[in-house]
Amino acid sequence: GNSVTQMEGPVTLSEEAFLTINCTYTATGYPSLFWYVQYPGEGLQLLLKATKADDKGSNKGFEATYRKETTSFHLEKGSVQVSDSAVYFCARTGAGLGNNRLAFGKGNQVVVIP
Amino acid sequence: GAGVSQSPRYKVAKRGQDVALRCDPISGHVSLFWYQQALGQGPEFLTYFQNEAQLDKSGLPSDRFFAERPEGSVSTLKIQRTQQEDSAVYLCASSSSRGEAFFGQGTRLTVV
Repeated sequence: GNSVTQMEGPVTLSEEAFLTINCTYTATGYPSLFWYVQYPGEGLQLLLKATKADDKGSNKGFEATYRKETTSFHLEKGSVQVSDSAVYFCARTGAGLGNNRLAFGKGNQVVVIP
Repeated sequence: GAGVSQSPRYKVAKRGQDVALRCDPISGHVSLFWYQQALGQGPEFLTYFQNEAQLDKSGLPSDRFFAERPEGSVSTLKIQRTQQEDSAVYLCASSSSRGEAFFGQGTRLTVV
């Protein structure tokens, strides 16, 4: 089964609203965790990462904290902009996966309305 | 160019046709990955190269799928006798040793 689970469905919200996208993982050991973003017409880009428990990754106003106790890595942004409209993927490496390959969640489409 | 380049961007193939998808990684990157992304899903791992050596092909869905990287740079993913279930976006990524993976824009394959 998939080792990375994201909340179901697209997310539609107004500009300046608070965004949360949930992500949980299953792994033995201590994986590294990532959020990737895919803007329309572009390739996947690394948004942020965390490599050990309690680390907080941050970039472009987005944050995610590696929570070992809840096996979660939820993505948050306090005030979204229209330009944040994209598909967001949670991913992990390590802990049973070889060669730094990534295991991805299904992704969440985020639409920010002006 | 500075990024990972994939070609073609779009490919329409008739069922049973063979296709070849190309990936030009970032110069100097030793690691190269292929992923398959079905509609509405996250990317799924297909295969991994370190330089010219294919170290992991556990994700290839059938023996119709074949990948090579003969000189440790450009890679080609070949799909023989394409089927409708092969329709997907095929993503290539490259990285330096244990570094961040950079993705290309992908090739969208449609089998009709």
